[in-house]
Amino acid sequence: RKEVEQDPGPFNVPEGATVAFNCTYSNSASQSFFWYRQDCRKEPKLLMSVYSSGNEDGRFTAQLNRASQYISLLIRDSKLSDSATYLCVVILLPTSGTYKYIFGTGTRLKVLA
Amino acid sequence: DAGVIQSPRHEVTEMGQEVTLRCKPISGHDYLFWYRQTMMRGLELLIYFNNNVPIDDSGMPEDRFSAKMPNASFSTLKIQPSEPRDSAVYFCASSNSDRVETQYFGPGTRLLVL
Repeated sequence: RKEVEQDPGPFNVPEGATVAFNCTYSNSASQSFFWYRQDCRKEPKLLMSVYSSGNEDGRFTAQLNRASQYISLLIRDSKLSDSATYLCVVILLPTSGTYKYIFGTGTRLKVLA
Repeated sequence: DAGVIQSPRHEVTEMGQEVTLRCKPISGHDYLFWYRQTMMRGLELLIYFNNNVPIDDSGMPEDRFSAKMPNASFSTLKIQPSEPRDSAVYFCASSNSDRVETQYFGPGTRLLVL
């Protein structure tokens, strides 16, 4: 089983729709969680951090469920410009004491006019 | 301000040749990461440095891969000898210890090994 798993999609949604992605992680040593966005043939860029209490940034809401070991990203009122691949990132601190950075393979979103 | 700079942006080489990828991190950042991205495996962390010292190289696929960071403003990833399965996009990223989780990625090097 992969340490971080995402549904690859693509998720095809109409403009204005609400869409949600989940990302599951397997290691309970996971400490920090993030969503990155990657446009086609571009580099990944940090979208937002994910906190236990949930956090919101405009149309984007991220949540963490430690009990079930998943994080989620909700996009409301989706825009054409939201079309991209969304990568979840888990940082874990195993017993070795060295931080491990693990990226999911990404979920592709296409917002259709 | 300049972001992370990588060179070359594209590289086409033949199997068996040596490939050297270069990265200049953002000035003041003390963490530097090398990633490889393929369709099949996604984005994989190969190695990362803190203050020019390699911290975790467990992602380096095999001895054909080596990375160095001789100073705070320069790092190289070398593949010798290269193989077709090394074809991928190689990203360099940097961050600082105040917010190590926020990584700034370079534009990547697209490597094709024939």
